[in-house]
Amino acid sequence: QLVQSGAEVKKPGASVKVSCRTSGYNFTRYDINWVRQATGQGLEWMGWMNPNSGNSGNAQKFQGRLTMTRNSSINTAYMELSSLTSEDTAIYYCADRDFWGQGTHVTVSS
Amino acid sequence: QGVLTQPSSLSASPGASASLTCTLRSGLNVATYGMSWYQQKPGSPPRFLLKYKSDSDKRQGSGVPSRFSGSKDASANAGILLISGLQSEDEADYYCMIWHNSAAVFGGGTQLTVL
Repeated sequence: QLVQSGAEVKKPGASVKVSCRTSGYNFTRYDINWVRQATGQGLEWMGWMNPNSGNSGNAQKFQGRLTMTRNSSINTAYMELSSLTSEDTAIYYCADRDFWGQGTHVTVSS
Repeated sequence: QGVLTQPSSLSASPGASASLTCTLRSGLNVATYGMSWYQQKPGSPPRFLLKYKSDSDKRQGSGVPSRFSGSKDASANAGILLISGLQSEDEADYYCMIWHNSAAVFGGGTQLTVL
């Protein structure tokens, strides 16, 4: 019910934009959260966005680097992370109150 | 000291019950938080299991069996995920989560082995 875009490979300093489309229910029903997970590590919350209003909030760690947007006409939320380093290599998930996307692998490598 | 502390691993036998704990940092009161629990199997995204604040304020995830339940131990300042009638398919990583200061915080996760 949450379908994410495909894997990405980026160079250090670049930006990545991941999409998350809801399927089968009202896109504006719940806030969308973004969570990432490095290989072999735990879950790290990045931020949230209200698909109805566009209001958002993010973890202090990502302040100034994380942008969350949406296109309600196609039931899709977006997460863009800039100034990438190798430490940003991870699986990125979108999640609402009940469901998670399948994850998007983002690899940052020169 | 992190906000949420989980034991890194736990083992239990098939058919038995397992209590997974998630302890809040000193100064935070578990009674004031709703705690969510997630299950993650290798190669899969996390799955929402349940959210528990009190017996009158709780929510089970879609399709999650009733043998997964939540509770709190006020004396330990901890949330608990109880899994009864353990099955081999319950072998997974389990994460707790709360909202604290307008941010979601996850515990470090517990790897549950069923053997």
